Amino acid sequence: RKEVEQDPGPFNVPEGATVAFNCTYSNSASQSFFWYRQDCRKEPKLLMSVYSSGNEDGRFTAQLNRASQYISLLIRDSKLSDSATYLCVVTLNDYKLSFGAGTTVTVRA
Amino acid sequence: GAGVSQTPSNKVTEKGKYVELRCDPISGHTALYWYRQSLGQGPEFLIYFQGTGAADDSGLPNDRFFAVRPEGSVSTLKIQRTERGDSAVYLCASSPRAGVNTGELFFGEGSRLTVL
Repeated sequence: RKEVEQDPGPFNVPEGATVAFNCTYSNSASQSFFWYRQDCRKEPKLLMSVYSSGNEDGRFTAQLNRASQYISLLIRDSKLSDSATYLCVVTLNDYKLSFGAGTTVTVRA
Repeated sequence: GAGVSQTPSNKVTEKGKYVELRCDPISGHTALYWYRQSLGQGPEFLIYFQGTGAADDSGLPNDRFFAVRPEGSVSTLKIQRTERGDSAVYLCASSPRAGVNTGELFFGEGSRLTVL
């Protein structure tokens, strides 16, 4: 079983729409959780951390459900520039991150 | 900008050859990581350096892979007797301190290795 599983998508949405997707993780001992963004043929970049209480960063909202071991990301008012692959990331220990395979989002005009 | 620099950006080699991939981390970053990303997959952990020492090399697939960081800055990933299955993007990342609980690894653009 993979440590982090994500729906690969693609999620094709019109500009201005809301899109949401999640991931599940297998290691109940994971302490920290993140969403990274990766543009085509570019490096991954940290989008936001995910906290138990849920957190927002502008149009992006992340939620964590420790009991069910899933993490979600919601993007409101989608922009063309939001088109990317979103990687769900969990810590395996103090220095090791485990990445999901990513969810592809395409925002169309 | 002074980001993580990786060279070469692209490397095409033949099966059985030896390759070296270089990573220049952000100045002052003590932690350095190598990850490997295959098409359609997320990055997979290979090795972690804290300073000059490899603190965890458990992700290296086999003994054909080796990495060094002799002066605690630049790192080189070395692959002997390359196989077609080694084809992937090799990503280097650095962070200013040990520990990933802030989640922020600064990745380079990667070295795309193709083994024919």
